[in-house]
Amino acid sequence: QKEVEQDPGPLSVPEGAIVSLNCTYSNSAFQYFMWYRQYSRKGPELLMYTYSSGNKEDGRFTAQVDKSSKYISLFIRDSQPSDSATYLCAMGSGNTPLVFGKGTRLSVIA
Amino acid sequence: GAGVSQSPSNKVTEKGKDVELRCDPISGHTALYWYRQSLGQGLEFLIYFQGNSAPDKSGLPSDRFSAERTGGSVSTLTIQRTQQEDSAVYLCASSLLAGGSGNTIYFGEGSWLTVV
Repeated sequence: QKEVEQDPGPLSVPEGAIVSLNCTYSNSAFQYFMWYRQYSRKGPELLMYTYSSGNKEDGRFTAQVDKSSKYISLFIRDSQPSDSATYLCAMGSGNTPLVFGKGTRLSVIA
Repeated sequence: GAGVSQSPSNKVTEKGKDVELRCDPISGHTALYWYRQSLGQGLEFLIYFQGNSAPDKSGLPSDRFSAERTGGSVSTLTIQRTQQEDSAVYLCASSLLAGGSGNTIYFGEGSWLTVV
């Protein structure tokens, strides 16, 4: 079993829809959970960061971490065509390098 | 510089040749990472430099891959005797401190390597 599992999609939704992106993981030592957004032919950029369990909201984006289920989510409300990108979950602990999911390709259709 | 800078942005090389990929991290960042991104494979960790500590090379896929970081700044990833399966985007990233502790990791645009 891979340390981090993420459905690669692609996921296609109409503009204005609520998008739910998810990752599961197996390493209970992970403490830091992040979501990166990657536009085509660009490097990933940090979108959301959560420490341990709980929710974090930033504008249209909400990140959720459920450590008991080893499950993290990213919700995008009122999705826009500009949200079309690949979304990668990432997680880590201590000083070790982050482990990334494969990324989910999202298309928001106008 | 303002961001992580990588060169070349695109490289086409013949199978069996050696290639060097360069990364210039954000000034003052002590941690530097190399990741590889292949189609449908996500980001694969290759190597990690943190300050003056010995690098974490645990992700390097074979002994054809090596990396150096000179003077705690610029890093070079070298792939010897390239194979077609080495074709991928090689992403460099840096962070102020160790990335796993929650410090933001900033990525470059990547070096797109094609081995023909």
